[in-house]
Amino acid sequence: DVKVTQSSRYLVKRTGEKVFLECVQDMDHENMFWYRQDPGLGLRLIYFSYDVKMKEKGDIPEGYSVSREKKERFSLILESASTNQTSMYLCASSFGAIPLHFGNGTRLTVT
Amino acid sequence: DAKTTQPTSMDCAEGRAANLPCNHSTISGNEYVYWYRQIHSQGPQYIIHGLKNNETNEMASLIITEDRKSSTLILPHATLRDTAVYYCIVRGDNYGQNFVFGPGTRLSVLP
Repeated sequence: DVKVTQSSRYLVKRTGEKVFLECVQDMDHENMFWYRQDPGLGLRLIYFSYDVKMKEKGDIPEGYSVSREKKERFSLILESASTNQTSMYLCASSFGAIPLHFGNGTRLTVT
Repeated sequence: DAKTTQPTSMDCAEGRAANLPCNHSTISGNEYVYWYRQIHSQGPQYIIHGLKNNETNEMASLIITEDRKSSTLILPHATLRDTAVYYCIVRGDNYGQNFVFGPGTRLSVLP
């Protein structure tokens, strides 16, 4: 089974802090994704990457950046966390048309 | 923007078939229909996908209309554990193309 692992299940950070969310997948998938999920809004794509060192903006990239130095790892960075970034963050991976596999999410609270 | 329309919520009696509809009237010829579900506090889980033929696996069946403008996910014998939010998504098979998740349908299986 494909496994997508997110490093933290819960995080609490202060406004202005730099925050790193880490994601690792074990199936050699080309594509990796970061979503955020908020009540009533479904999942919204922040960034995705289709190869090492490649990244593309999704629907809501503002306030975020990403890093993909290795194929199996995709990091989401909040340069200066704000309270409106309090959310559930979901990482996913896929290869070509094979369906996405998701991690169990990181619930981030920014105070 | 999501390319699909789903009812906000549905109820189903335990042991009965759950039929979840999805409209995707602007679907393109190379776009697949995917279904996922999300149980509280977990990441989305892949269920099934199809292009134009009906599909069946151990979890569900997918019925796609001949004009491909709508589809129905069928859970043949719903259990309490099938209570979840179900997402219908359309996506092409282009390399690196992202998924767009809408708000989904909240299915409640009632005892």
